[in-house]
This record gives sequence, structure tokens and C-alpha cells, in this order.
Amino acid sequence: GAVVSQHPSWVICKSGTSVKIECRSLDFQATTMFWYRQFPKQSLMLMATSNEGSKATYEQGVEKDKFLINHASLTLSTLTVTSAHPEDSSFYICSARDRDRALSYNEQFFGPGTRLTVL
Amino acid sequence: KQEVTQIPAALSVPEGENLVLNCSFTDSAIYNLQWFRQDPGKGLTSLLLIQSSQREQTSGRLNASLDKSSGRSTLYIAASQPGDSATYLCAAQGGKLIFGQGTELSVKP
Repeated sequence: GAVVSQHPSWVICKSGTSVKIECRSLDFQATTMFWYRQFPKQSLMLMATSNEGSKATYEQGVEKDKFLINHASLTLSTLTVTSAHPEDSSFYICSARDRDRALSYNEQFFGPGTRLTVL
Repeated sequence: KQEVTQIPAALSVPEGENLVLNCSFTDSAIYNLQWFRQDPGKGLTSLLLIQSSQREQTSGRLNASLDKSSGRSTLYIAASQPGDSATYLCAAQGGKLIFGQGTELSVKP
């Protein structure tokens, strides 16, 4: 149990285009999902916290108009990188917290990541 | 603000050696501490999660300990194998999950 999927697993796009990444909890409901970014040889940095049915909370330094997050259901959150540029090339990883286990465990389950390359 | 530090940044050992990876955190008000493995270009694999009320967790050749009062956690790997080569990340869960920079482990045959 506690499986999180991401789609696509990798994407290459031209500078100036928008890219949408999906994060799904497959066998549990997630009221909260998280989006992280990882640059080569660096650790994961939290970008934003996504709550079902409400606006996402962005970390300091993350442009909310550039990284649009939508959490429309208890099993799906999407991250849209708008007007992508080469510096947005990175590994994007989502995680989800199981609604029914959150109080006792606070554990996050991670997706496999999406590698974005902007040419 | 929570800060998580991992030492060493990289480690190379011969196969069969027992080894210890270190993780320290500045804010002891955490719910849990988690260790992950990440292979190059891949996502995270959760190895062990230690709740704040626990002192250690074991899974096969892996043993993780947690000392909240001193802000430290260690991951012990027994009888290391080449397949253990990867980057190991620790993460402290308070209000947010904060990751360390990782230890890149290489186990030589």
C-alpha cells in the first residue's frame, strides 16, 4: 500500500512552453501533497504544500505564478511549470500524506519523480 | 528553522565492511526521522522511519537510531554490498520534512 505515482516520468520541452506534472496517490486518500525540487548533486527542497480544495502554500523564493499547483481531489495534485526556461530543468518529486494515518504517523510517501529538461 | 546535516558527504568502503552514516538536526521538536535511499536519476526509497518516541528501527542489515536530545541519528549498515551503493538521505519531520544533503556511498567489490 501507500503508492504514489507521477506522470510523466520525464519530459523535454522548449523554452517558453508550459509543462504539467501529475501526482497521484493510488491506494489512499491524501488531503496534503508536497512538491519538491532536486538539482543535480543537491538534496530535495520543498517548493510548496498542496491541500485538497484550497490554495497551495509556497515556500519562500518559489514563484507561485510560475509553479501553479492544483489539488482538485483527494488523489491528484498537479504542478504546472509555466513559461519554462532552462534554469527550471530539474527533478521534481511529489509526496503525499495518508489522510487516515496522518495523525499517528505523519509519514509522507514519495512518487518516483519527473525529470524536466527545458531546451 | 530546522537544519539537517549529514556526515560524511561521500564514503567509499570495501565490500563486507560495516559502516555508519551520521545525521544531525538542530530542532529536536520532530514527529519522526526518516532515512531514504536514492539511486542516480531515481526517486526515493524509504528505508526506515523512527517515530519521535522510539530509539531505533531495524530492517535486515540496516539499523537506524535516534537521539532527540542530542539531535542525532545514525544509520548502520552491516556487511555492506556493492548493491548498497547509492545516496542516503535523512529527513527530519517537524512542521515540514527537511532533508539533509545526503551521503554518497560507494561499496567496492
